[in-house]
Amino acid sequence: NAGVTQTPKFQVLKTGQSMTLQCAQDMNHNSMYWYRQDPGMGLRLIYYSASEGTTDKGEVPNGYNVSRLNKREFSLRLESAAPSQTSVYFCASSDVLAGVGADTQYFGPGTRLTVL
Amino acid sequence: AQSVTQPDIHITVSEGASLELRCNYSYGATPYLFWYVQSPGQGLQLLLKYFSGDTLVQGIKGFEAEFKRSQSSFNLRKPSVHWSDAAEYFCAVGGDDMRFGAGTRLTVKP
Repeated sequence: NAGVTQTPKFQVLKTGQSMTLQCAQDMNHNSMYWYRQDPGMGLRLIYYSASEGTTDKGEVPNGYNVSRLNKREFSLRLESAAPSQTSVYFCASSDVLAGVGADTQYFGPGTRLTVL
Repeated sequence: AQSVTQPDIHITVSEGASLELRCNYSYGATPYLFWYVQSPGQGLQLLLKYFSGDTLVQGIKGFEAEFKRSQSSFNLRKPSVHWSDAAEYFCAVGGDDMRFGAGTRLTVKP
């Protein structure tokens, strides 16, 4: 079991360039998430997908798009990167408990993105 | 909207000493509460969680946390800290729309 995998691990972009961050999980989880982590701000939710075919905005969705390609994969796209999007990006997945909602989230190792 | 406050940005304790990390939350309904730990350069790992029932929950690595509804708190404790506990600790509340605190960095002195 690889758990949650993310590619790439590191990326440097110039302002205005686009890129897609890939995430895959092999735990058969329904829910998947994208977060960004900035110093002193903890993790902030960008988008999440509660099931295949659905996506919802989180706390900081502006400048990002997502695709839930299938149950395993959830990608994050930056169409026109800006220096304010320099951050560490984490993907996570979770199972769902009946009557409770999302349970423990399992995190990938992160992607460190720098936008110049 | 739910939110989490971790009042301590950085805490230093001596190895073998006890530890308490504070967490206060704001949530409209019964909160689902979590503590995660992050080692440098790594993703987050769950330490423990509270959904309902006994307000004192046990987690991995000897950690425990107590849910106090009257104080809107979910503080993390460990009776004796080990050098390997040095990391950043995050409190979180919610389900799909999870909210994380800003984190508390723990340094352990030998």
